[in-house]
Amino acid sequence: NAGVTQTPKFQVLKTGQSMTLQCAQDMNHNSMYWYRQDPGMGLRLIYYSASEGTTDKGEVPNGYNVSRLNKREFSLRLESAAPSQTSVYFCASQRGLDAAQYFGPGTRLLVL
Amino acid sequence: GQQLNQSPQSMFIQEGEDVSMNCTSSSIFNTWLWYKQEPGEGPVLLIALYKAGELTSNGRLTAQFGITRKDSFLNISASIPSDVGIYFCAGQLGNNDMRFGAGTRLTVKP
Repeated sequence: NAGVTQTPKFQVLKTGQSMTLQCAQDMNHNSMYWYRQDPGMGLRLIYYSASEGTTDKGEVPNGYNVSRLNKREFSLRLESAAPSQTSVYFCASQRGLDAAQYFGPGTRLLVL
Repeated sequence: GQQLNQSPQSMFIQEGEDVSMNCTSSSIFNTWLWYKQEPGEGPVLLIALYKAGELTSNGRLTAQFGITRKDSFLNISASIPSDVGIYFCAGQLGNNDMRFGAGTRLTVKP
């Protein structure tokens, strides 16, 4: 039981490049989330998927897209990366609203 | 928006001392959670609170869900060096949306 896994662990992009961050969970959780964490700002919600087949914008969705591929997987895509998207990205999953969220180890992204 | 104000921003304490931190908001949340994060890792859940007024303990940690649903506190008793890290509060709304505080950085001096 690996919990929440994220790939890649690290990535360096040039401005304008695209990439997809992958997240998978093996806990049969219904909801999945993408956050970014910047120094001194805590975590900010980018997008979430309350259940398979649905996605919704969080606090900071601009510049990102997501896909809930199936119940296990939730990907985050940067179509045209910008230096302001340099951050640490965390994926999380949750069984339901009466349960806690569990986080992956993070993806460290640097956009030059 | 539904912002969380977490305080203090940082604490420097002596081993054995008790610690208290809190989060407040102008918005009502359905769930309050407290996480700890260590360098290079994702946040790890410490305590989850689901009902207004709920007081929950996990070892040396105690947290309460404020009766107005707009605040929560976390206490750590008899701190030890491994308590070092950044503590985050988080509040979840009924639509799954989640907000985090900016964190409290705890340093424990042996």
